Amino acid sequence: EVQLVESGGGLVQPGRSLRLSCTGSGFSFDNYAMHWVRQAPGKGLEWVSYISWNSGSIDYADSVKGRFTISRDNAKNSLYLQMNSLRPEDTAFYYCVKDTGGAWGQGTLVTVSS
Amino acid sequence: DFQMTQSPSSLSASVGDRVTITCQASQDISIYLNWYQQKLGKAPKLLISDASYLETGVPPRFSGGGSGTDFTFTISSVQAEDIATYYCQQYADLRYTFGQGTKLEIK
Repeated sequence: EVQLVESGGGLVQPGRSLRLSCTGSGFSFDNYAMHWVRQAPGKGLEWVSYISWNSGSIDYADSVKGRFTISRDNAKNSLYLQMNSLRPEDTAFYYCVKDTGGAWGQGTLVTVSS
Repeated sequence: DFQMTQSPSSLSASVGDRVTITCQASQDISIYLNWYQQKLGKAPKLLISDASYLETGVPPRFSGGGSGTDFTFTISSVQAEDIATYYCQQYADLRYTFGQGTKLEIK
């Protein structure tokens, strides 16, 4: 069974940093591109970032470009999102998503507030 | 970026009703479209991929169609457990974009 498990969310002050992790199991993690998608409480879904299977191709939404960094460690079946200079509008559930959307993690909540 | 326009934003149906949601892409996305169901407090669940392919284990009352820029999602006979918000998503471009969502309520 394909599983994705996120961790690392929490309450953080504006301007601070947080690192999210996502561990995959039940599939060949190093064969698949991965994405981060977020959802502000009560709002719709917003794509955040993408990384190819070998980290050779990376992209970000304009809203996070220059502040967030996506990375992966295929040896650890893990995906990461380093979030710097956090803003209140970054408050959301963050989901890691396999490839075109066949599997999602349960989400981890990031709250940016003073 | 590809924009996805989904309608309606909400709908109310009785058990047994047929309901249809539409999704329009700002550019041709061929059949690279997913439909998701998101229940309260849960992650989205993929129901349909490639515009019309029903994922394993998804009841056949759910169906999808369309190609290019115009797509539909239909529940042929709504059940009480279908209460959820439904989203379309394009993956023709790696900068995935989602429709605004359709909240389904049961009368």
